[in-house]
Amino acid sequence: GENVGLHLPTLSVQEGDNSIINCAYSNSASDYFIWYKQESGKGPQFIIDIRSNMDKRQGQRVTVLLNKTVKHLSLQIAATQPGDSAVYFCAENRGRDDKIIFGKGTRLHILP
Amino acid sequence: ETGVTQSPTHLIKTRGQQVTLRCSSQSGHNTVSWYQQALGQGPQFIFQYYREEENGRGNFPPRFSGLQFPNYSSELNVNALELDDSALYLCASSQQLGQGTDTQYFGPGTRLTVL
Repeated sequence: GENVGLHLPTLSVQEGDNSIINCAYSNSASDYFIWYKQESGKGPQFIIDIRSNMDKRQGQRVTVLLNKTVKHLSLQIAATQPGDSAVYFCAENRGRDDKIIFGKGTRLHILP
Repeated sequence: ETGVTQSPTHLIKTRGQQVTLRCSSQSGHNTVSWYQQALGQGPQFIFQYYREEENGRGNFPPRFSGLQFPNYSSELNVNALELDDSALYLCASSQQLGQGTDTQYFGPGTRLTVL
């Protein structure tokens, strides 16, 4: 992770709307990407992953998009719910070991 | 819940002391990775253990050391504690090594405060 101090980027979304959280990664050699959700006082929780030979993967209410050309990753959450409030981290694995490099987190606020 | 457990939940130490944190991996997992997460930041990789040997290390000084046991549980030891060591320490377990694509599942963490 990088030093982002105490001020994470924040995304505020109306309950029921779709959320899109974006992430840029730096290493073109990375071949595996993961999104984690971290609620206050808890460890990161696996949401969804995608390998570099894919550009889209869908889960339950979540979709991850990978654009290798511009080294961009996004997480889409459909019909955002209050329980989706958390900090979301994108992470990359650089293939030679299982070390995961976390990106800057985004705090998702759900508006009533 | 992931099945990864960590102890203790919280810990308070003073500068110069030593601390040992413990992690039990998820059933069937043979690899344990440790991360340090300072307040407001993403987790940073400390090191990884596979088959009781260190396999990969991040940018942390030698006073951060670890062990993995035959049952794949693990310990993180930190000597000569400094104030900046105050953080949430996370353990993650995974199934295999070498593929670079094995999902890591995190425990709840140990909150260490150094006074």
